[in-house]
Order: sequence, then C-alpha cells, then structure tokens
Amino acid sequence: GAVVSQHPSWVICKSGTSVKIECRSLDFQATTMFWYRQFPKQSLMLMATSNEGSKATYEQGVEKDKFLINHASLTLSTLTVTSAHPEDSSFYICSAFGPSVQETQYFGPGTRLLVL
Amino acid sequence: AQSVSQHNHHVILSEAASLELGCNYSYGGTVNLFWYVQYPGQHLQLLLKYFSGDPLVKGIKGFEAEFIKSKFSFNLRKPSVQWSDTAEYFCAVKGYNTDKLIFGTGTRLQVFP
Repeated sequence: GAVVSQHPSWVICKSGTSVKIECRSLDFQATTMFWYRQFPKQSLMLMATSNEGSKATYEQGVEKDKFLINHASLTLSTLTVTSAHPEDSSFYICSAFGPSVQETQYFGPGTRLLVL
Repeated sequence: AQSVSQHNHHVILSEAASLELGCNYSYGGTVNLFWYVQYPGQHLQLLLKYFSGDPLVKGIKGFEAEFIKSKFSFNLRKPSVQWSDTAEYFCAVKGYNTDKLIFGTGTRLQVFP
C-alpha cells in the first residue's frame, strides 16, 4: 500500500515552454501533497505544500507564478513549470500524506526535467 | 532554527561491517522522526519511523534506529551491511503540529563486496 506515482518520469522541453507534472496517490487519499526539488547529490528542498481544494503554500524563495500547483482531488496534484528556463532543470519529487497512512509522507519516483 | 544534521556525508564499508549513521535535529517541541533510503535511480522509500513509545524502532531490511531525546539524536544502525544497502540515506523530522518534513543533507553509503 501507500503508492505514489508521478508522470512523466522525464521530460525534455525547449526554453519558454510550460511543463505539467502529475502526482497521484494510488491507494490512499492524500489530504496533503508536497513538491520538492532535488539537486544532484543534495537533499530535498521543499517547494510547496498543497492541500486538496485550497491554494498551495509556497516556501520562501519559490516563485508561485513560475511553479503553479493545483490539488484538485484527494488523489491528484499537478505542478506546472511555466515558461521553463534551463535553470529550472532539476529532479522534481512529490510526496503524499493522509490520515490513512499514519501521518507519513510517501514519495513518488520523481520527474527529471531538462530544459534546453 | 529547525534543522537536521547528518554528520557523515559519505561512508564506505565492506560487506558484513556494522553501520551507524548519525542524525541530530534541532526542533522545539514534540517530533516525529524518519529515515528514508534512496537506492540508485529509485525513489525515496521509508525505512523506519518513530512517533512515540519504545525509542528503539525496527525498520525494514534489518535496520533500526534509536531515539535519544536528551541528545536530540536518531541514529540509524545495521549490524551487518550488504552490497545491496548501497544508497543515499536521509534523516527527517516532522513537528507534531505540522505536516512538513525537514530533511538532513543525506549520507551516501557505499558497500563493497
């Protein structure tokens, strides 16, 4: 149980385009989902917290207009990187959290984004 | 400030050696503690967690961790490592009244046959 999926697993795009990444909790209801960035050989940096049906809460320094987050249902959150630039290239990871998983975050496999 | 420190950035061991990875946290109030593992090319997986009760918790794959409140520590241990334990290990803390995890910088473990 407690499986989280992400789609796509990797994406290459041209500078200036927008990219949408989906995060789904497959077998539990996620009242909260988190979005992280992970740089090579570094730890996870929390970007934002999204609660179902409400606006996401962004961490300091994260541009909310650049990284649009939507948490439309208890099993789906999306991260859209708008007008992507090479510096947005990174590994994006989501996690999901809900009362049925004993207050533990379960992580998706990540999405590798390369902006050319 | 809330933080998690993992002192060992890179650990190299031979198979069958014992392992201890340090984790110290700075956080006011009651905490929940976690160890996650990230195998090469894979996503983070939960190894074990501590919420309350017995401070010695056992996780998957023979790992265990001990919560020492007085030392603000939650060190990870395994008596005999295997080559398949090669991975990145992350300690994380969550405050009792928040959903956010604060991660340590990670420890890269390499186990040689």
